Amino acid sequence: SQQGEEDPQALSIQEGENATMNCSYKTSINNLQWYRQNSGRGLVHLILIRSNEREKHSGRLRVTLDTSKKSSSLLITASRAADTASYFCATDVTGGFKTIFGAGTRLFVKA
Amino acid sequence: DSGVTQTPKHLITATGQRVTLRCSPRSGDLSVYWYQQSLDQGLQFLIQYYNGEERAKGNILERFSAQQFPDLHSELNLSSLELGDSALYFCASSASTGSNSPLHFGNGTRLTVT
Repeated sequence: SQQGEEDPQALSIQEGENATMNCSYKTSINNLQWYRQNSGRGLVHLILIRSNEREKHSGRLRVTLDTSKKSSSLLITASRAADTASYFCATDVTGGFKTIFGAGTRLFVKA
Repeated sequence: DSGVTQTPKHLITATGQRVTLRCSPRSGDLSVYWYQQSLDQGLQFLIQYYNGEERAKGNILERFSAQQFPDLHSELNLSSLELGDSALYFCASSASTGSNSPLHFGNGTRLTVT
């Protein structure tokens, strides 16, 4: 089974609106990462947040991490049509080398 | 451009056959990861190598094997192929063996088994 699970599975919004995606995971982690995948392409790393961090920003992206709830959220502000993609959270297992991906959230931004 | 090169881009083969997928990691990266992405299974971790040594294993079938060579490129061998092996196979590389380094993905090899 997946270590991380994203919610919602799919999200459709208008350009200019904010998009929020959530990720829940099962075991303790060292860090959590978010990736983006355009259709049929390789994943692109967006942001990494460590287990001792609560919030991180990168441009229009804001990631939060709540280790007590084993959850993270990715907020994309002022979305653009070009943000249309699938978004994945990825986690490790403390002491492990694997990076395990969730099933992803498919975001569609309408122009 | 991630700097990770995967070949071939597309592969069509028949059941029972064997194929080899190749990956060249980003310059300077010592770790190579293989993932399988299919519609019903999501992105599944297969195996990780660091500087030629296997470091972690995921849901890799016994029919599949991989290795990382001294020049750090990696190959994933898939044998006795079944229809269910049809998927996108991604290679990723990172600078270190731990999970604190971002993964850089290639554009994948799309395998179709007929």
